[in-house]
Amino acid sequence: GQNIDQPTEMTATEGAIVQINCTYQTSGFNGLFWYQQHAGEAPTFLSYNVLDGLEEKGRFSSFLSRSKGYSYLLLKELQMKDSASYLCAVNGNNRKLIWGLGTSLAVNP
Amino acid sequence: ETGVTQTPRHLVMGMTNKKSLKCEQHLGHNAMYWYKQSAKKPLELMFVYNFKEQTENNSVPSRFSPECPNSSHLFLHLHTLQPEDSALYLCASSQDPGTGANVLTFGAGSRLTVL
Repeated sequence: GQNIDQPTEMTATEGAIVQINCTYQTSGFNGLFWYQQHAGEAPTFLSYNVLDGLEEKGRFSSFLSRSKGYSYLLLKELQMKDSASYLCAVNGNNRKLIWGLGTSLAVNP
Repeated sequence: ETGVTQTPRHLVMGMTNKKSLKCEQHLGHNAMYWYKQSAKKPLELMFVYNFKEQTENNSVPSRFSPECPNSSHLFLHLHTLQPEDSALYLCASSQDPGTGANVLTFGAGSRLTVL
């Protein structure tokens, strides 16, 4: 079967660094997405990785290892507004997105 | 307006009611989607429309009926729903549905409660 695993909840402190992991087992791989969703709001696109390595975008970076079926989202210099759910999704066979359950991140002062 | 707009934001309906959810995108995208988001479940794709044609129906019960009159508007008609249909219904649009880098732009969702 197809599966995406990510931690359910994480807690971190303002100003710190947090890494949210995502492991996947899918039939086919056409890229991996990270989305951010604040409570009661729309999910918004953060990053897309299709090749191995690290992609950096300001305070947020995303890493992919296709051989390990593994990705992580790295958030630096955490701010209170980073408290949100972070969704990992893999574009698999037939360009169908397979979604994880999301990781709820709480940033404390 | 810009982005993807969904109305209503909140809807409470009885099992015998008929209501509709509306989605409008101002991004010039060619594809539109309906997703269901429930607690403790991953996002569930319901329907996909590409250039107004339905290209995917993920075994959705017939009590949910989509309509896409043009590339900018998408409706979800609801009738005789069940309490387990209570969820957040998200609309999304994208430019490149046939590619790997198909970035979705979501609306804020319609929170549906079925009594």
